[in-house]
Amino acid sequence: AQRVTQPEKLLSVFKGAPVELKCNYSYSGSPELFWYVQYSRQRLQLLLRHISRESIKGFTADLNKGETSFHLKKPFAQEEDSAMYYCALSDVSGNTPLVFGKGTRLSVIA
Amino acid sequence: DSGVTQTPKHLITATGQRVTLRCSPRSGDLSVYWYQQSLDQGLQFLIHYYNGEERAKGNILERFSAQQFPDLHSELNLSSLELGDSALYFCASSVAPPLAGVMYFGPGTRLTVL
Repeated sequence: AQRVTQPEKLLSVFKGAPVELKCNYSYSGSPELFWYVQYSRQRLQLLLRHISRESIKGFTADLNKGETSFHLKKPFAQEEDSAMYYCALSDVSGNTPLVFGKGTRLSVIA
Repeated sequence: DSGVTQTPKHLITATGQRVTLRCSPRSGDLSVYWYQQSLDQGLQFLIHYYNGEERAKGNILERFSAQQFPDLHSELNLSSLELGDSALYFCASSVAPPLAGVMYFGPGTRLTVL
């Protein structure tokens, strides 16, 4: 079975401080990991996926298969980063639906 | 708007009733997914349709059913509603597997059961 755990419901950081949103997963197959974000009054949208190895809006995430983690990081938080962040897991085949964590609300304080 | 659309935005109904939620995927997307989001459970996968056929079922109650029509829009039917069914129901679409992880979400339908 697939499981995604985001241990923090809420994370508050000051503007300019580093951010790390934690995500751990459990899956016996070949995982594909994603971060989705929902800004206030907007739709849930893809932020980044591990196979792209991109940096989006200054965020990066590295898949650590040994620790089964996919933490989201940003060196300097901005106020506009305040949002709900969801870690999600699928199979690399794409044949399994996304399983989401319960989400972490990031609040960046000016 | 060529994105995923969902109607209605809000729905208030009573226990025991039946409702239908509608979703139109992005143009060209063949897959439609339904998710339920409640306060304490997060986003729970309900069901996936691809080009009119059911592909996967998640934690969908027997009181719930869905279908995808030839024009690719989908409907989620919820019957014998209970207070606990109050939630946000999201529809998402994707081109097709194997790009299932890249989903485009609709704005959601907020269901309130009184």
